Amino acid sequence: ETGVTQSPTHLIKTRGQQVTLRCSSQSGHNTVSWYQQALGQGPQFIFQYYREEENGRGNFPPRFSGLQFPNYSSELNVNALELDDSALYLCASSLDLALGETQYFGPGTRLLVL
Amino acid sequence: AQTVTQSQPEMSVQEAETVTLSCTYDTSESDYYLFWYKQPPSRQMILVIRQEAYKQQNATENRFSVNFQKAAKSFSLKISDSQLGDAAMYFCAYHTGNQFYFGTGTSLTVIP
Repeated sequence: ETGVTQSPTHLIKTRGQQVTLRCSSQSGHNTVSWYQQALGQGPQFIFQYYREEENGRGNFPPRFSGLQFPNYSSELNVNALELDDSALYLCASSLDLALGETQYFGPGTRLLVL
Repeated sequence: AQTVTQSQPEMSVQEAETVTLSCTYDTSESDYYLFWYKQPPSRQMILVIRQEAYKQQNATENRFSVNFQKAAKSFSLKISDSQLGDAAMYFCAYHTGNQFYFGTGTSLTVIP
């Protein structure tokens, strides 16, 4: 059984650029959630995808967008990068959408915006 | 607004001793789940334990147990017989509907 993987592991961008982060969910999981974790903080929920549709969204602007593919892998896209977007971006997959379903986290992508 | 508060930024415990990490949350929902996650220095978040809000019985997983006080909106984690491998950031989390909320974390140090 393959766990949740994310790519790239590290990324450096400049303000105003666009970035795409990728996540492969654990085998058999159809739900993917994305989180932003600033240094020294807890993860902040960005959004969740279930069977290729956005199912829920946290308090993030529209320049944060996502996709989920038929194989349930997912992308997080951030446009017009700002310095405050520098953070660890975590992807988590779960077997289903049910309340309380266990989330399995990937190792994260560290984004630095200069 | 739903929030999760962890009032202890750092805690330490002697190896083999017991430590309790605190968490309080604010919600108007009746149906939700609470979790404790562990994030070791390697960064990968791991589920430690979870609790359904409608269950009065406190969840237990080996050396980890919770004290769930629904009326007080409190959800503390007790780690018994602490081991060096327990050293990590611990996050309390809340899940309702399609929203997830995490606390700011407690850094646990285990002293040999």
